[in-house]
Amino acid sequence: GAVVSQHPSWVICKSGTSVKIECRSLDFQATTMFWYRQFPKQSLMLMATSNEGSKATYEQGVEKDKFLINHASLTLSTLTVTSAHPEDSSFYICRAATYNEQFFGPGTRLTVL
Amino acid sequence: SQKIEQNSEALNIQEGKTATLTCNYTNYSPAYLQWYRQDPGRGPVFLLLIRENEKEKRKERLKVTFDTTLKQSLFHITASQPADSATYLCALASGATNKLIFGTGTLLAVQP
Repeated sequence: GAVVSQHPSWVICKSGTSVKIECRSLDFQATTMFWYRQFPKQSLMLMATSNEGSKATYEQGVEKDKFLINHASLTLSTLTVTSAHPEDSSFYICRAATYNEQFFGPGTRLTVL
Repeated sequence: SQKIEQNSEALNIQEGKTATLTCNYTNYSPAYLQWYRQDPGRGPVFLLLIRENEKEKRKERLKVTFDTTLKQSLFHITASQPADSATYLCALASGATNKLIFGTGTLLAVQP
């Protein structure tokens, strides 16, 4: 079946640095990529939706200048957490979707010191 | 406001029994509803999808019901096993955007 990968699977960074997380659909072309964030013992919260070649649509309360999303191709989307702070520490998960299929990535654990 | 709520407490059951998880929603008109399993430190794994015009769906030991009048879905695992222990999430989607919104999740623990 289709596979979605995320890289890195985990990252630890210092406060104030930027971190880029990649999401790749390995054997299908994802017209839409969704990014979620999950804090410990909580559910997945949708952050933004991006369609290939266009700007991402952010959910209410998510800062678009802090969480930069790029969806330059049908197989790759990136989420960059700019000037990360400890409160950004979370589990970030992407979801790649076509019209009638969708698959989640394995997630990236971000820890900001 | 829109809400998707699942069993608020963790669910503990004995091996071999049927686990029943609930998902209630308000102020949504979903085109379909999905159930996922999530293990610690992992992404969600798709289990079942049920559309708004379907009442029930089955897959092996899993059964999902969908009542759009009650705005509720029930997820059943029959003959439960310790390996079924995980967090189970329901998610709603509108047909137009394919955007999935998740419920709060229920932690299921199956005791041997």
